Amino acid sequence: NAGVTQTPKFQVLKTGQSMTLQCAQDMNHNSMYWYRQDPGMGLRLIYYSASEGTTDKGEVPNGYNVSRLNKREFSLRLESAAPSQTSVYFCASSDTSGADTQYFGPGTRLTVL
Amino acid sequence: ILNVEQSPQSLHVQEGDSTNFTCSFPSSNFYALHWYRWETAKSPEALFVMTLNGDEKKKGRISATLNTKEGYSYLYIKGSQPEDSATYLCAFPNQAGTALIFGKGTTLSVSS
Repeated sequence: NAGVTQTPKFQVLKTGQSMTLQCAQDMNHNSMYWYRQDPGMGLRLIYYSASEGTTDKGEVPNGYNVSRLNKREFSLRLESAAPSQTSVYFCASSDTSGADTQYFGPGTRLTVL
Repeated sequence: ILNVEQSPQSLHVQEGDSTNFTCSFPSSNFYALHWYRWETAKSPEALFVMTLNGDEKKKGRISATLNTKEGYSYLYIKGSQPEDSATYLCAFPNQAGTALIFGKGTTLSVSS
């Protein structure tokens, strides 16, 4: 099992460009999450999907959109990237709910110039 | 938004020292408390999920205790080793129980 995979691992964008971060899990988990990690801020929840077909905003959703494509895949889209979105992005999944152990992907390091 | 507070923010110990740090969380409507270990340039990995008041979990030299009535959990590391250097995160479910709210973590540095 690969667990949680993310692509790409690194990305550099110019302000205003768009991109989609991909995440997939092979553990048959129902819930998936997107976090961003910034120095001194810990992990902050951007969006989550409690089950296939549902998505909800987290703590810092502005500037992002998500798609739960199917049970395995949960993508994060930046429509018009801003320097404030420079961060490391982590995808995670859990079996059934937010109270379950979350399993994290390797992260995507995004720089917006 | 629920607050999960961790202290200290960082600490530095010598190899062989024992250490502990604290996670504080809302004591009302408790469901579960998670501890994660996060090494630099890696992904967070689960250490413990604690659900019962008075619960104590142990994995090697690392252990954790839980007090749900007063809203805190302690993580202990006995005889710290350089490989214990990491950020230790605690997390608490949101009010809907659909996601975890993470503390900012305690960053431990162990010198040999």
